[in-house]
Amino acid sequence: AQSVTQLDSQVPVFEEAPVELRCNYSSSVSVYLFWYVQYPNQGLQLLLKYLSGSTLVKGINGFEAEFNKSQTSFHLRKPSVHISDTAEYFCANMNTGFQKLVFGTGTRLLVSP
Amino acid sequence: DTAVSQTPKYLVTQMGNDKSIKCEQNLGHDTMYWYKQDSKKFLKIMFSYNNKELIINETVPNRFSPKSPDKAHLNLHINSLELGDSAVYFCASSLRGQGDEQYFGPGTRLTVT
Repeated sequence: AQSVTQLDSQVPVFEEAPVELRCNYSSSVSVYLFWYVQYPNQGLQLLLKYLSGSTLVKGINGFEAEFNKSQTSFHLRKPSVHISDTAEYFCANMNTGFQKLVFGTGTRLLVSP
Repeated sequence: DTAVSQTPKYLVTQMGNDKSIKCEQNLGHDTMYWYKQDSKKFLKIMFSYNNKELIINETVPNRFSPKSPDKAHLNLHINSLELGDSAVYFCASSLRGQGDEQYFGPGTRLTVT
């Protein structure tokens, strides 16, 4: 069975500081991995995804994530956050061969001045 | 130009009523989805359609019935609404399914009183 764990429900950080949002996945088969962002009262928007190839994936808005198969992790990073990055971030996985996207419980990133 | 649109944006209704939420995508995608986001922001897939054919049907009460009149539309009808149905419902679409980015609508906030 596939599942995704986001260890931190909330991450407070100061503007211009670096941030890492943690995600661990569990699956007995190969997976595709995604990070989505949800701004207040909006739908979800894809930040980045890993399907195969290079383990370092770059996404929109300066975010990147690294796929680590040995640690079954796909942590999201940004070297310098802005106030506008305040949002809910969801990690998700999809087993290859299936269309079902399974989401983690989300991490709320709170950026303060 | 809105890619995935949902109507209505807000829906307040009483227990026992029947209601529908409509979803349309103008991206030419083959696959459409319905997700439910509860009060704790947890997102779970409910249904997936590919070219008007039901692909995924999670353990959802049969009071929920999706209907896809064509590839661009996926509506959700809910009978005999219960308090626990209160949530935000998101429609999404993707080009095909596996590994493709899912584009989300703005959501419909359903409140059952």
